[in-house]
Amino acid sequence: AQKVTQAQTEISVVEKEDVTLDCVYETRDTTYYLFWYKQPPSGELVFLIRRNSFDEQNEISGRYSWNFQKSTSSFNFTITASQVVDSAVYFCALSEGDVSGTASKLTFGTGTRLQVTL
Amino acid sequence: EPEVTQTPSHQVTQMGQEVILRCVPISNHLYFYWYRQILGQKVEFLVSFYNNEISEKSEIFDDQFSVERPDGSNFTLKIRSTKLEDSAMYFCASGDDGSSGANVLTFGAGSRLTVL
Repeated sequence: AQKVTQAQTEISVVEKEDVTLDCVYETRDTTYYLFWYKQPPSGELVFLIRRNSFDEQNEISGRYSWNFQKSTSSFNFTITASQVVDSAVYFCALSEGDVSGTASKLTFGTGTRLQVTL
Repeated sequence: EPEVTQTPSHQVTQMGQEVILRCVPISNHLYFYWYRQILGQKVEFLVSFYNNEISEKSEIFDDQFSVERPDGSNFTLKIRSTKLEDSAMYFCASGDDGSSGANVLTFGAGSRLTVL
């Protein structure tokens, strides 16, 4: 069975600080996909990134970066120079899939609430 | 930017009543999903739908729940006889054909269901 653990329930930082959100996953599949979604106070789920299990390259998108390490089954998310607008709940999710990309359900972690203050 | 549209945004109902939550997925997407999030908890998978049939469902998705794609554009979730514990935010999502890997799901803004 697949499982996603986000041990940090809530993090508070002051604007401009860097913050890392941890995500550890469990799966028996060799092909799987990892995701991060953001849930702002308005409630919708906003896709941030998808990673497949064969691509361990770290990725940077503006102030966001992701560190995927298969050896530790982790897919951590760092926000550099945090801003108040980053305040949200962030969910890590896992999908087991085959190489054809057939849809498979997402298993979400419990989320990390990030509060960025001035 | 294509989006998934859900109605109603909030519905209050009495226990035992039937509720239908509606979703308009992205038009060229092939996979459709319902997830729910009880207040303050994680997002949980309910059901996936492909090629006009359920492809997978969770243990939460019991006989009280049903899904339908009646007209090729709408995707509905029906709860036949609501219980207090059905109070949650219900998210619809749709996904593409996954030709570039596991399909990225686009979620709607959610329908908040309150059962009294």
